[in-house]
Amino acid sequence: AQTVTQSQPEMSVQEAETVTLSCTYDTSENNYYLFWYKQPPSRQMILVIRQEAYKQQNATENRFSVNFQKAAKSFSLKISDSQLGDTAMYFCASPSTNFGNEKLTFGTGTRLTIIP
Amino acid sequence: GAVVSQHPSWVICKSGTSVKIECRSLDFQATTMFWYRQFPKQSLMLMATSNEGSKATYEQGVEKDKFLINHASLTLSTLTVTSAHPEDSSFYICSARRQTDEQYFGPGTRLTVT
Repeated sequence: AQTVTQSQPEMSVQEAETVTLSCTYDTSENNYYLFWYKQPPSRQMILVIRQEAYKQQNATENRFSVNFQKAAKSFSLKISDSQLGDTAMYFCASPSTNFGNEKLTFGTGTRLTIIP
Repeated sequence: GAVVSQHPSWVICKSGTSVKIECRSLDFQATTMFWYRQFPKQSLMLMATSNEGSKATYEQGVEKDKFLINHASLTLSTLTVTSAHPEDSSFYICSARRQTDEQYFGPGTRLTVT
């Protein structure tokens, strides 16, 4: 079974600072995608960034980047120049099979608070 | 593009009654839709996967007869909670996926059973 672990239930950081959220996963698949989702107080799930496992280059989306360590099955999210709007729950997620094919397994989430 | 809506956003029903939640993909055809349940301060738990025109696949521990899922068209899936009880109170989220694409999430439905 797919497992996704987020070991930081809560984190807080000053505005404009950098914060890293950790995630480890377990999979028997060779090719797969990993995702970070944001859930703000509105509870709408928003895709932050995704990483294709067969790509060695870490994905980057503006202030968001990942540190993907395939051998260690680690997938951390770095938020640079944090903003108040980044306050949210962050979930790491992994699909059970290849991209676009079936269900996501979510981690338990990290509640991130950006302090003004 | 890729907008998913849910209706209603919040529903209160009495114990023993049934309630239906709709999930619609507004600007794309969804080959697969997923239903999740989220308790307060917890993660999303997949309840079932539905493909248009076929029976839903339920996750282990999810009662098929209690949570009826109908995926009648490529843009609509419904979740009916039958004979609802207070323990069914939760936040229900759907997502929809185009073939070979990512999942797009609806805004969720808060169900309160009194």
